[in-house]
Amino acid sequence: DTAVSQTPKYLVTQMGNDKSIKCEQNLGHDTMYWYKQDSKKFLKIMFSYNNKELIINETVPNRFSPKSPDKAHLNLHINSLELGDSAVYFCASSQDSGTPGEQFFGPGTRLTVL
Amino acid sequence: DAKTTQPPSMDCAEGRAANLPCNHSTISGNEYVYWYRQIHSQGPQYIIHGLKNNETNEMASLIITEDRKSSTLILPHATLRDTAVYYCIVRVYDDMRFGAGTRLTVKP
Repeated sequence: DTAVSQTPKYLVTQMGNDKSIKCEQNLGHDTMYWYKQDSKKFLKIMFSYNNKELIINETVPNRFSPKSPDKAHLNLHINSLELGDSAVYFCASSQDSGTPGEQFFGPGTRLTVL
Repeated sequence: DAKTTQPPSMDCAEGRAANLPCNHSTISGNEYVYWYRQIHSQGPQYIIHGLKNNETNEMASLIITEDRKSSTLILPHATLRDTAVYYCIVRVYDDMRFGAGTRLTVKP
């Protein structure tokens, strides 16, 4: 009964490959997010989706694309992986109630690009 | 480009109160103060938030100064499991920007 789940937990791949990370939330939340935590441990928001609309898009390379098949899922697709993409990626969700809501985070996916 | 300033690290004795300060001198009137923590490499965990008034929940208390330029998170009886990085964030809507946080180490 995990609230926010991500798969895989670890992902090791070669430069140039295309990969996806899946995220699912069973909280019935309206908004989902992707964050990146780099080797220096800084957490930065990448995307958020509300009712299948992208509402925040930070300066992220267009090799990264979020895809939401339904309200409970927000998957992260990464094309042409680069060494600098190595990081821990966290998915999160929150309920859109007109004021800032608590964000629930998943356990993270550690991506290593060789 | 976080809008908060926190000490990089703090120590606290087990069983004692941990007081974590945060400066947010440029906070706007509609921005909330949020606290999250990250234990080891787990996903961040929500602790508490407030706008103007002091707040308390089962995890912690949040004291916000009258001018709202700073706040303090209080863990009343710190345990070893409270060792984590604590993030103070000011936000409106969904734009949540994490800074470097304070690494709190609770010692036996």
